[in-house]
Amino acid sequence: GAVVSQHPSWVICKSGTSVKIECRSLDFQATTMFWYRQFPKQSLMLMATSNEGSKATYEQGVEKDKFLINHASLTLSTLTVTSAHPEDSSFYICSARPTGGLYYGYTFGSGTRLTVV
Amino acid sequence: KQEVTQIPAALSVPEGENLVLNCSFTDSAIYNLQWFRQDPGKGLTSLLLIQSSQREQTSGRLNASLDKSSGRSTLYIAASQPGDSATYLCASQGGKLIFGQGTELSVKP
Repeated sequence: GAVVSQHPSWVICKSGTSVKIECRSLDFQATTMFWYRQFPKQSLMLMATSNEGSKATYEQGVEKDKFLINHASLTLSTLTVTSAHPEDSSFYICSARPTGGLYYGYTFGSGTRLTVV
Repeated sequence: KQEVTQIPAALSVPEGENLVLNCSFTDSAIYNLQWFRQDPGKGLTSLLLIQSSQREQTSGRLNASLDKSSGRSTLYIAASQPGDSATYLCASQGGKLIFGQGTELSVKP
């Protein structure tokens, strides 16, 4: 089955530093990957859609300059949280779907717990 | 704008009980309806995917139905077990995957 690998699973960083999170599709190609954020006891909020070879599409209210997304290949998307602050502490999850598979399901990574101190 | 609603928000049942989780969505123009399970602090595990042309899908003790015309999906869990305790999320797939708020299920031994 489709597998999505996300690293790291958790990270602690100092306020003002940047953190990069990787999302890889291991056994399929994904033109599009998705980044979600989840606060405790809440559902997943779509942050942005990552498009291979082009700019990401951000949801309303998500700061493009703070959450940099790069989708350099058909199997890798990265999310960089720049100049992190404590309010950026959250659970970040990526997902992907096989290219051309509108009727395929989404597969999710295991998530990254970010704590900014 | 698609809105997905799940009821109940939380559910506690004794082991062995059959139960139904409900999901409703406002826009019937979807490709799929997908049910996920999330354990605390973990990512999402896909349980069942129902394509828009399908009415239901089954996997073991789980059965999910889809009624596009009424904008509803249900997840039926038979003979619940303590290991089923988790948060269950439904998501409608149009251009984006839109999630409901989830149902937190607790199955007591």
